[in-house]
Amino acid sequence: EPEVTQTPSHQVTQMGQEVILRCVPISNHLYFYWYRQILGQKVEFLVSFYNNEISEKSEIFDDQFSVERPDGSNFTLKIRSTKLEDSAMYFCARGSGGPGETQYFGPGTRLLVL
Amino acid sequence: AQSVTQPDIHITVSEGASLELRCNYSYGATPYLFWYVQSPGQGLQLLLKYFSGDTLVQGIKGFEAEFKRSQSSFNLRKPSVHWSDAAEYFCAVGASYGGSQGNLIFGKGTKLSVKP
Repeated sequence: EPEVTQTPSHQVTQMGQEVILRCVPISNHLYFYWYRQILGQKVEFLVSFYNNEISEKSEIFDDQFSVERPDGSNFTLKIRSTKLEDSAMYFCARGSGGPGETQYFGPGTRLLVL
Repeated sequence: AQSVTQPDIHITVSEGASLELRCNYSYGATPYLFWYVQSPGQGLQLLLKYFSGDTLVQGIKGFEAEFKRSQSSFNLRKPSVHWSDAAEYFCAVGASYGGSQGNLIFGKGTKLSVKP
């Protein structure tokens, strides 16, 4: 039973283009996360989002990235001007909040930047 | 700095054999530890987690893991591996202090292959 769905499952874009990756929680959650996994590497934290605000972000999450929850449901990750090195699998996760929370991951969006 | 080390990149075991995947962590406070599994083309599925209490935790699909503070380890075990267990396994540590939503720090993963 998926906790989170993500769209699209795959996206191919040209370098310099903007992409928006979407995360749709199955039920009403407040805590969201974005992670990425470059091919062959480990999963890396990008950003956490709570109550419509960024609560924490990594050094990877620079000005090219932004997150929002535009309609109170979908949770989006925008990459303003994609670079080749942005090619990766991007995972959305939802959490229940609090120390030691469990994070449930979506199936991911595979982004390829050409 | 927080980190997770999975020393084995790739392990091959025979179906029916026992399995142990190693995980060592570096974290200053009490860690919250997780094992996730990723099948090809799939997302990350939680196998089990250690929060507190009993250091031997049971998970789904017959997996278990033991938290050993003295060794900074959280190794994943299964007594008898099935072919469907072939996947990549990730160990992760989460923040344990209040006020943080706890981003997860992952190890590099161990790819498990199962021989018939």
